[in-house]
Amino acid sequence: DVKVTQSSRYLVKRTGEKVFLECVQDMDHENMFWYRQDPGLGLRLIYFSYDVKMKEKGDIPEGYSVSREKKERFSLILESASTNQTSMYLCASTPGYGYTFGSGTRLTVV
Amino acid sequence: EDKVVQSPLSLVVHEGDTVTLNCSYEVTNFRSLLWYKQEKKAPTFLFMLTSSGIEKKSGRLSSILDKKELSSILNITATQTGDSAIYLCAVEGGGYQKVTFGIGTKLQVIP
Repeated sequence: DVKVTQSSRYLVKRTGEKVFLECVQDMDHENMFWYRQDPGLGLRLIYFSYDVKMKEKGDIPEGYSVSREKKERFSLILESASTNQTSMYLCASTPGYGYTFGSGTRLTVV
Repeated sequence: EDKVVQSPLSLVVHEGDTVTLNCSYEVTNFRSLLWYKQEKKAPTFLFMLTSSGIEKKSGRLSSILDKKELSSILNITATQTGDSAIYLCAVEGGGYQKVTFGIGTKLQVIP
């Protein structure tokens, strides 16, 4: 069965900290995505990657960066966490249709 | 800017009722429309509708794509409490692999 694994379910970080959110998929998919989900705003695309070392900005990339050194792993980095980055973060991958999502990481920045 | 609008935002029904969830979209280069069910954690895939597959059915759930009206509906018949969830509509179009999600419809089924 297809699997997307996010390393943490819940995280609490302090303002200004550097935060790493890890996502690993075991399906050999080329395309991976990071979304954040907020009440009343739905799912918004932060960054996506269509190949190793390739990345594209989504709709809300400000304050974030990403890393894709290996096909199976796509990391989201908050260079200096801020309280407005408190959110649910969802990683997804796709072979071209029908995303598979990870379980999500609920990040709280205090 | 690509846009996906879902209605209603929230719905409460009794078990056994039939519900219809709506999704309308404005995207460039439409490729597919996707429905997801989200319970406590991540969304799970329900259906994909494309120009060549405008109607899908799985058990009590069915979905239709109306390309002329740029919309889709998700029907759930004989609802059960386990159908309580947020239902997300997403449309693939625009740039490379770009998927735009709606806010979702929160469905609550009460016994």
